[in-house]
Amino acid sequence: AQRVTQPEKLLSVFKGAPVELKCNYSYSGSPELFWYVQYSRQRLQLLLRHISRESIKGFTADLNKGETSFHLKKPFAQEEDSAMYYCALSGPPGANSKLTFGKGITLSVRP
Amino acid sequence: AAGVIQSPRHLIKEKRETATLKCYPIPRHDTVYWYQQGPGQDPQFLISFYEKMQSDKGSIPDRFSAQQFSDYHSELNMSSLELGDSALYFCASSLVSGGGASSDEQFFGPGTRLTVL
Repeated sequence: AQRVTQPEKLLSVFKGAPVELKCNYSYSGSPELFWYVQYSRQRLQLLLRHISRESIKGFTADLNKGETSFHLKKPFAQEEDSAMYYCALSGPPGANSKLTFGKGITLSVRP
Repeated sequence: AAGVIQSPRHLIKEKRETATLKCYPIPRHDTVYWYQQGPGQDPQFLISFYEKMQSDKGSIPDRFSAQQFSDYHSELNMSSLELGDSALYFCASSLVSGGGASSDEQFFGPGTRLTVL
């Protein structure tokens, strides 16, 4: 069975501090890993995916297959980063690419 | 740009009533996914459709059914509602047939908040 674990529910940091949101997964095969973000009163939106290897809004995430992790990192948090973050996985691209989400973590960046 | 539209945004029903939730995908998207998010819970996959055919099924109760119509919009029908059905129901759409690494990115609607009293 596929599973995504986000061990923390809340992370509160000061502006300018580094951020690391943890995500571990279990999946038999080669999953695709994603981070979704939900800002206050907005819809869920894709932040980044491991295959694109991009840095979005200063965030990066590296897939570590040995540790089955996909932690989200940002060296200097901004107040506008305050949001709910979900780690998710799916199987290979295709019509059955349902997402399995973690329970999410609330990031609060204080001024 | 047009996004995924869901209606209604809020719905209040009594136990044992029925409800119909609608989802209008992004134009030209061929795949629709439904997710249920209970209070304090992560979104759980319910069902998906690709080119108007059911493509995958998750933890969807037998009391629920769904379909995708010729114009690609989808409806989730819920009967004999129970208190535990109170949740936020998300719809997402993607373009699977386009190919490429980013072809299946799921775009989410704002959700329908269903409250069962």
